[in-house]
Amino acid sequence: SQKIEQNSEALNIQEGKTATLTCNYTNYSPAYLQWYRQDPGRGPVFLLLIRENEKEKRKERLKVTFDTTLKQSLFHITASQPADSATYLCAPPGAGSYQLTFGKGTKLSVIP
Amino acid sequence: DTGVSQNPRHKITKRGQNVTFRCDPISEHNRLYWYRQTLGQGPEFLTYFQNEAQLEKSRLLSDRFSAERPKGSFSTLEIQRTEQGDSAMYLCASSFYGNTEAFFGQGTRLTVV
Repeated sequence: SQKIEQNSEALNIQEGKTATLTCNYTNYSPAYLQWYRQDPGRGPVFLLLIRENEKEKRKERLKVTFDTTLKQSLFHITASQPADSATYLCAPPGAGSYQLTFGKGTKLSVIP
Repeated sequence: DTGVSQNPRHKITKRGQNVTFRCDPISEHNRLYWYRQTLGQGPEFLTYFQNEAQLEKSRLLSDRFSAERPKGSFSTLEIQRTEQGDSAMYLCASSFYGNTEAFFGQGTRLTVV
């Protein structure tokens, strides 16, 4: 069955550095992949969507890559700020369906 | 329209009782999803509607769970005979098309005592 792995449960970085989060998927080939941010006690908030024919997508300080050969997506936050501290979720669609399948998330802490 | 709205925000119930949650999606969205999230885990898919039709249900969804979306507008999720293992955050999301971003509500936190 399909599997999604986000390689770190927690990631601590210094303010101003670039945070890189990894999402690996196995046993299927999603046509797109989404990234969400979730703050404690709140629902996830959409950040970026990248399609299989796009190598890279950018939005302000955010960058997402999608390597269908490696079955991996990387999520980067440049010039990180303490306000970026949150849990980031990788979400490709489920195989053959439109519902999103979420990873466990990576909790990012940006230290001032 | 202020986004996806879920009510109540919190619910504490005794084991064995029935509970019902409501979700009001963004008005022009025809797709609606229910997810469940426990501490330290990502949201887990429960069920999906396109307009009023329930098109997909998780195999993990117990028979005690039922969802409706009459007239393709708001949706309700009912849990019958609640168990302590049902304690979780229940999230509703809506989207315009299936391959675009989903907009989530704030969730309903259920505690079964």
